[in-house]
Amino acid sequence: KAGVTQTPRYLIKTRGQQVTLSCSPISGHRSVSWYQQTPGQGLQFLFEYFSETQRNKGNFPGRFSGRQFSNSRSEMNVSTLELGDSALYLCASSMRTITDTQYFGPGTRLTVL
Amino acid sequence: QKEVEQNSGPLSVPEGAIASLNCTYSDRGSQSFFWYRQYSGKSPELIMFIYSNGDKEDGRFTAQLNKASQYVSLLIRDSQPSDSATYLCAVADSGSARQLTFGSGTQLTVLP
Repeated sequence: KAGVTQTPRYLIKTRGQQVTLSCSPISGHRSVSWYQQTPGQGLQFLFEYFSETQRNKGNFPGRFSGRQFSNSRSEMNVSTLELGDSALYLCASSMRTITDTQYFGPGTRLTVL
Repeated sequence: QKEVEQNSGPLSVPEGAIASLNCTYSDRGSQSFFWYRQYSGKSPELIMFIYSNGDKEDGRFTAQLNKASQYVSLLIRDSQPSDSATYLCAVADSGSARQLTFGSGTQLTVLP
């Protein structure tokens, strides 16, 4: 079974621009969660999508948004990029059971100049 | 603010030894606990999960959970150089199993 895929793998943007990242979950997984990883803050939860609806949201500003499509693929968008948004953005998928396990994709490395 | 604390590293052990990684958490209602391994430049890889008090063994890995003490640990027996990585403890939020709070990680080096 194929794992979680994320595109693109690397991105370079400048301050003020916006960016869209894509995630395709493991086949049969309907929940997609997004995380940000930085050296200073570690791994932090951004949000979770299930059945095309945002179910949970972490403590990030409104510049961070996402959506999920009917095939469970998800995108996240960051508007008005800031230098501090430079990070590894990770997508994780799960089957959304009570005791759940999440499997991470390879991540998208975003650099904001 | 829910917190997950891991024992500070880096941790170095000789090849063949037991590596012990520890984690405490603040959310008393948490039900699911995970250990991920992350190699430098790679994404986290799930290696163990545990939901019930006690021990859970999988090959060379043993996870231990004590909910009363809010403590999770990971033992790696017969450590190999390929085990050298950062180990992340993750705790599922009591309100949502998909919202994981991660510790800062413990960097393990297994010396040949």
